[in-house]
Amino acid sequence: EAQVTQNPRYLITVTGKKLTVTCSQNMNHEYMSWYRQDPGLGLRQIYYSMNVEVTDKGDVPEGYKVSRKEKRNFPLILESPSPNQTSLYFCASSLSGTGNSPLHFGNGTRLTVT
Amino acid sequence: AQSVTQLGSHVSVSEGALVLLRCNYSSSVPPYLFWYVQYPNQGLQLLLKYTTGATLVKGINGFEAEFKKSETSFHLTKPSAHMSDAAEYFCAVSEALQGGSEKLVFGKGTKLTVNP
Repeated sequence: EAQVTQNPRYLITVTGKKLTVTCSQNMNHEYMSWYRQDPGLGLRQIYYSMNVEVTDKGDVPEGYKVSRKEKRNFPLILESPSPNQTSLYFCASSLSGTGNSPLHFGNGTRLTVT
Repeated sequence: AQSVTQLGSHVSVSEGALVLLRCNYSSSVPPYLFWYVQYPNQGLQLLLKYTTGATLVKGINGFEAEFKKSETSFHLTKPSAHMSDAAEYFCAVSEALQGGSEKLVFGKGTKLTVNP
């Protein structure tokens, strides 16, 4: 089954403790992206990647890192999480990253930073 | 930069009634337009998209949307609401970036409630 898999689904951590949220897709998509979803703000893009070893900042990249060493994986790293990073995070992928290529989303990771 | 406005963060309809969710975008150039749906505890799923051609686009689950360039709108409709339509709906528009890539700009979402 074609899918985007994120892990974990739920994560509670403390301020400053490094964490990684994994994302993997099995559709051989070139483009991958991370979003955060907050009430009243919709989805905002954190980082995206057009291909292996190519990553770019989205609208809200501060406090986050990403890497794209393999085509299928695009982990999101929070080196020193803070409470304002408490949010619902989505990984998404598409064939080409152009508007003609719809995004496929994972089921989300709900992160709480205390 | 593109912006997307969804009128009404919450819409409530009765089962069997018309569903109308409004979306306006800011681009002066016809973009690619999308509607996504998010059911509770799930990621977003594509409902329908407009790229080129016919301005009335049909999607899954009986939804359709009409691209109106003169009004810069892409409203989502369904003639008869079903309880299973209760979800949050997001309108999105593509925005060209430097280097030939694009990104999706999302509206803030409209939560649809369907009353029995």
